[in-house]
Amino acid sequence: EPEVTQTPSHQVTQMGQEVILRCVPISNHLYFYWYRQILGQKVEFLVSFYNNEISEKSEIFDDQFSVERPDGSNFTLKIRSTKLEDSAMYFCASSRGDNTEAFFGQGTRLTVV
Amino acid sequence: GDSVTQMEGPVTLSEEAFLTINCTYTATGYPSLFWYVQYPGEGLQLLLKATKADDKGSNKGFEATYRKETTSFHLEKGSVQVSDSAVYFCALSGRADGLTFGKGTHLIIQP
Repeated sequence: EPEVTQTPSHQVTQMGQEVILRCVPISNHLYFYWYRQILGQKVEFLVSFYNNEISEKSEIFDDQFSVERPDGSNFTLKIRSTKLEDSAMYFCASSRGDNTEAFFGQGTRLTVV
Repeated sequence: GDSVTQMEGPVTLSEEAFLTINCTYTATGYPSLFWYVQYPGEGLQLLLKATKADDKGSNKGFEATYRKETTSFHLEKGSVQVSDSAVYFCALSGRADGLTFGKGTHLIIQP
């Protein structure tokens, strides 16, 4: 069964460093998403990506965040200069179409120290 | 804006008990509604969904009915098992992209 895969499963980084979280969406999906879940809080939408551009982003997704689909399979989230409050579980998701079921990866736990 | 409110956990039940996890929502228009489940160490998995009023989503013995009049989508199961222990998230899709999630309810089933 096709699945969304994320790497790494856990990343520890120092404050101020850049991190890149990687995702491989399901191959025939067209919409890609990033969500985050700060420990003990709700899952929050960050950004959606369609047709090689951002289609929607939340107020959390400020200038230190960027997304990219560098090739036909990967979808990355970059945090340019990490802050302590960026520590969270980051989930990638993909879907075939707008308003259809989203399939989630297992998440990357980012710890900023 | 859109929002989802679900009951706080943890919810602790004995095996074979009846389960209800409440979920209410606020949204403009006619959102689709979802329940996702997160088992320990795993990602979010879609459990069930409903796309219009009065639809009933069901899967693995779980059910939820889209109630527009009460803006609710409560999750129910008649007889829970230890393997149902997980975190359950209610969510809606009402905007152009992206899901709005509730905070999640941690369910613990004791043998």
